[in-house]
Amino acid sequence: QVQLQESGPGLVKPSETLSLTCAVSGYSISSGYYWGWIRQPPGKGLEWIGSIYHSGSTYYNPSLKSRVTISVDTSKNQFSLKLSSVTAADTAVYYCARFTMPQYYFDYWGQGTLVTVSS
Amino acid sequence: QSALTQPPSASGSPGQSVTISCTGTSSDVGGYNYVSWYQQHPGKAPKLMIYEVSKRPSGVPDRFSGSKSGNTASLTVSGLQAEDEADYYCSSYAGSNNFGVFGTGTKVTVL
Repeated sequence: QVQLQESGPGLVKPSETLSLTCAVSGYSISSGYYWGWIRQPPGKGLEWIGSIYHSGSTYYNPSLKSRVTISVDTSKNQFSLKLSSVTAADTAVYYCARFTMPQYYFDYWGQGTLVTVSS
Repeated sequence: QSALTQPPSASGSPGQSVTISCTGTSSDVGGYNYVSWYQQHPGKAPKLMIYEVSKRPSGVPDRFSGSKSGNTASLTVSGLQAEDEADYYCSSYAGSNNFGVFGTGTKVTVL
């Protein structure tokens, strides 16, 4: 059974960089599939942030592209998200998920982690 | 890339059917057979219910079905059960430039 678990600080100061890691178990990232990040502001809908292949190829939401970096560490079977210059608008539950391309669907999700941007 | 349009709410009595629409454009929903649907209970992660318009992942009851006509996709839940009460989101591929987009979400209430 594929399992994903997000980890990282729950509180980030404005203008700083949000950093999260997603540990994958039950499946080797090197075996294939894309891996992605999605976020959900409190009480609002879902927003795709970006995705990465095990080779390192990345796809980012055009509206966030200038601030987002997604990387993969196959030796640790995990991938990471960095979002720079955060503001209160970046406060959200951040999910990591396994992603199928080009069919564009997420079949396994982490439980999510709330990140609050506040001084 | 604008979010796909869904009705804010839908409801039905136990045993009845409810259909949720998801309207996009020819650049996303209408242009590809890559529409998926997710169910989200409060405080939980979304769960994939339908992919590629009408395919069900293993373990999803056949009470859930998907379809598409033009720029609008639909999710139908037949034989409503109390546990179907949740938020539902559609999603679609939107091409190599915009990549993908989620819908605005629909809250389904079982009366």
